[in-house]
Order: sequence, then C-alpha cells, then structure tokens
Amino acid sequence: SAVISQKPSRDICQRGTSLTIQCQVDSQVTMMFWYRQQPGQSLTLIATANQGSEATYESGFVIDKFPISRPNLTFSTLTVSNMSPEDSSIYLCSVKRGDNTGELFFGEGSRLTVL
Amino acid sequence: GENVEQHPSTLSVQEGDSAVIKCTYSDSASNYFPWYKQELGKGPQLIIDIRSNVGEKKDQRIAVTLNKTAKHFSLHITETQPEDSAVYFCAGLEYGNKLVFGAGTILRVKS
Repeated sequence: SAVISQKPSRDICQRGTSLTIQCQVDSQVTMMFWYRQQPGQSLTLIATANQGSEATYESGFVIDKFPISRPNLTFSTLTVSNMSPEDSSIYLCSVKRGDNTGELFFGEGSRLTVL
Repeated sequence: GENVEQHPSTLSVQEGDSAVIKCTYSDSASNYFPWYKQELGKGPQLIIDIRSNVGEKKDQRIAVTLNKTAKHFSLHITETQPEDSAVYFCAGLEYGNKLVFGAGTILRVKS
C-alpha cells in the first residue's frame, strides 16, 4: 500500500472563503484522485488529478469551484473555492499505483465544516 | 456507466455471528470489485477485493463471492468481533479506471 498524508485533517471555514487541501504520497503513483464524502453518504469522485496538465472533472464538478494541481507524481492539491455550508464534507485523496492491480488507496481525509 | 447498489444499509449482529453484505452492479464489463472498511474519523481502507476471473476469495475471517451471471457480489464476515463495527463500502471498476461506490452499510457488532 501507499502512505498518503493529507493536510489539514479538519478545518472550520467561513462562507465565501477558499481552502486548499494538500495530498502527499510516499512514493510515485500513476494516478491520483479526489473524492468527496458528504455527511453520512458514500464517496463521489470529483476529478482525476493529471500530472502536468488540467484535471479531468466528473459530471457536476467544475474547475472554477474545485481547482486541482498536480505538479509531480507524489503531490496534489484540491482547492474548495467560495465555500458555502453545502460544501461541508470530507474530502479524500486517493491513489493508484502503476501496477495495473486496480487497487485504490485513500488518505485519512480532510473534514471541512463551512459556517 | 456503472451503477452499484448495496444492501442492507444497516446491519446489527451479535458478536460471534456472521455478517453478509450484498452488492449488485450494472456494467457487465466491470472486472474488479473491492470492499472498503471505514472507521469513524478515518479514510476508507481496502480489506479485500475480487476480480472477475474468480468466484471466491478468502482472507482469514472475511471472504468475497462473485456471481458474474447475476452481476452481484457479497462480503462475508465470520466470527464477528466488536472491532468489525464500521461502515463498509463495495465498489465496481468502471471503464476508464473509475471506481463507483455503493451507498455503504453500517455494521454494528453487539457484545
């Protein structure tokens, strides 16, 4: 498995502000993803973070709201922009190694509460 | 695209009993089905997975079975213990490396 570190682990934010979440992996990985988990709900894919190019967003998620960076094979950031209380969720970084096993590993998540 | 349905949404069992969680999927092309355990305040942890070329896989007290014809797969936990209490998610791998998750099952093991 991969060791995935996310920062911050939790935060309380004010409406209208933006917050950037960092994801650091202990080894190079081919694919990195960002998921959202709303309170009591399942996991929904926001986007695939592509190294050196624009992220690939899922239906219902847009770059202006969730800008993503991936400057190298071990690091990615997700920004939640212009937050509203509806953005209160756990945001999870996940990675897949390049060995075609399909195994997806998750970080511990960043729990955001928007007031 | 893939759609994964998971049942039951909550499951309570007595310590030592078995627990079974079932999932169905819609895309016959899906070939990888993992199960995740999520404890309170933590990220999901991969506990077992199965690929479409096998029908069953075991790892100590947990096992997963797959019926490709019926497009369903199940998680079996035997001799449940209080530390098995968590939320369990099944998932199916959609074309293009995207995992689609079920809604989750809250498992409570009563001691």
